[in-house]
Amino acid sequence: QSVLTQPPSLSAATGQKVTVSCSGSSSNIGSNHVSWYQQLPGVAPKLLIYANEERPSGIPDRFSGSKSGTSATLAITGLQTGDEATYYCEAWDNNLSAVVFGGGTKVAVL
Amino acid sequence: QVQLVQSGAEVKKPGSSVKVSCETSGASFNDYTITWVRQAPGQGLEWLGRVIPLLGITHYALKFRGRVTITADRSTGTASLELTRLNSEDTAFYYCARGSGSWYNPYFDFWGQGTLITVSS
Repeated sequence: QSVLTQPPSLSAATGQKVTVSCSGSSSNIGSNHVSWYQQLPGVAPKLLIYANEERPSGIPDRFSGSKSGTSATLAITGLQTGDEATYYCEAWDNNLSAVVFGGGTKVAVL
Repeated sequence: QVQLVQSGAEVKKPGSSVKVSCETSGASFNDYTITWVRQAPGQGLEWLGRVIPLLGITHYALKFRGRVTITADRSTGTASLELTRLNSEDTAFYYCARGSGSWYNPYFDFWGQGTLITVSS
């Protein structure tokens, strides 16, 4: 059972928009920044979003992040087949004094 | 270009120990933290701990305290993870990652390629 809760899977058609939710609590998302990672099959995770909404250099603006209260959201617009991957949210948890991850959301592009 | 290159896959017996290395290049080793994350087959990501190479300070997830040691060699820019008393549940890919941001708001912007550790009798 992950500390941060994500839907296990989502799907959308090519060109459409998908939103991935990440629900936490006051000890993690409610008080700290959220990051998002994309993991393609068989490779290491890749940073997509940090500090809730910031994109590292090279990440297209089709990917955006937001946070409200104890929940965060990753939005992917203009969905492409190359976006088929598992997406993880991450935050620091003050009570656990540890980094915590969501369980991951597998996004399928129809 | 920042790179983290990890040591190769290993097969270990239950009860034994394993040490995985992570050689960094392309950026100052002293300016970031190094974190270790593992991923069991078909499962999600799990944080083990981190080290501040400049200060030699470490911080471990409660679950792994007493079994894990993370070190950093500033002379070679290499971090290491040692995990003792291995059992089958430790079978996983182990990743090192560079930590940026702050202590309470870290994010991991560069990752090693992963090292598969298989625990089997």
